[in-house]
Amino acid sequence: GAGVSQSPSNKVTEKGKDVELRCDPISGHTALYWYRQSLGQGLEFLIYFQGNSAPDKSGLPSDRFSAERTGGSVSTLTIQRTQQEDSAVYLCASSLDNSLANEQYFGPGTRLTVT
Amino acid sequence: GQSLEQPSEVTAVEGAIVQINCTYQTSGFYGLSWYQQHDGGAPTFLSYNALDGLEETGRFSSFLSRSDSYGYLLLQELQMKDSASYFCAVKGDYKLSFGAGTTVTVRA
Repeated sequence: GAGVSQSPSNKVTEKGKDVELRCDPISGHTALYWYRQSLGQGLEFLIYFQGNSAPDKSGLPSDRFSAERTGGSVSTLTIQRTQQEDSAVYLCASSLDNSLANEQYFGPGTRLTVT
Repeated sequence: GQSLEQPSEVTAVEGAIVQINCTYQTSGFYGLSWYQQHDGGAPTFLSYNALDGLEETGRFSSFLSRSDSYGYLLLQELQMKDSASYFCAVKGDYKLSFGAGTTVTVRA
């Protein structure tokens, strides 16, 4: 079956612009996670959705970051007024539900470059 | 919160055995997972230990000791395609917290 998909695969934007990153999880997966990975680093948790609600937003680095999920499926991560330090690969993952969060399936990521 | 420690790099030759250790400190623990990530690729799930002991999946095995807050990933019969980064991760209440990753380089 189809895996997790993300779009765009690459995004170059100017400092101060807003960007939207999209994630389409595996069909039937109720839990969805966003992470950020800087070059050569580990994965930094951003936000977790169970269905359309976000019980854990603790990883969002600032109020410029927001995310939503609609229909229990597609999620959008929005970064407003981008800064150069926002440059990273943004990864989305899903699991059947949160009880199975140990086994997550990742998308290919969106590489964001802020110039 | 959670913190995880794992070595940054390991180099070995084809056919060898590599053990990647992971120690963790966590306020809640619901299992230790391992993920593999090839350069430029997405992380892929390798294994998960909820209970103490050894789990074997083909050439890869994972071990957990909850009393020692310690686990390891064992890569046997190393192949060139095993060159990648390997991350340990612990699950707290909702989320996975990842270590910084161990880069494994396999030499011919």
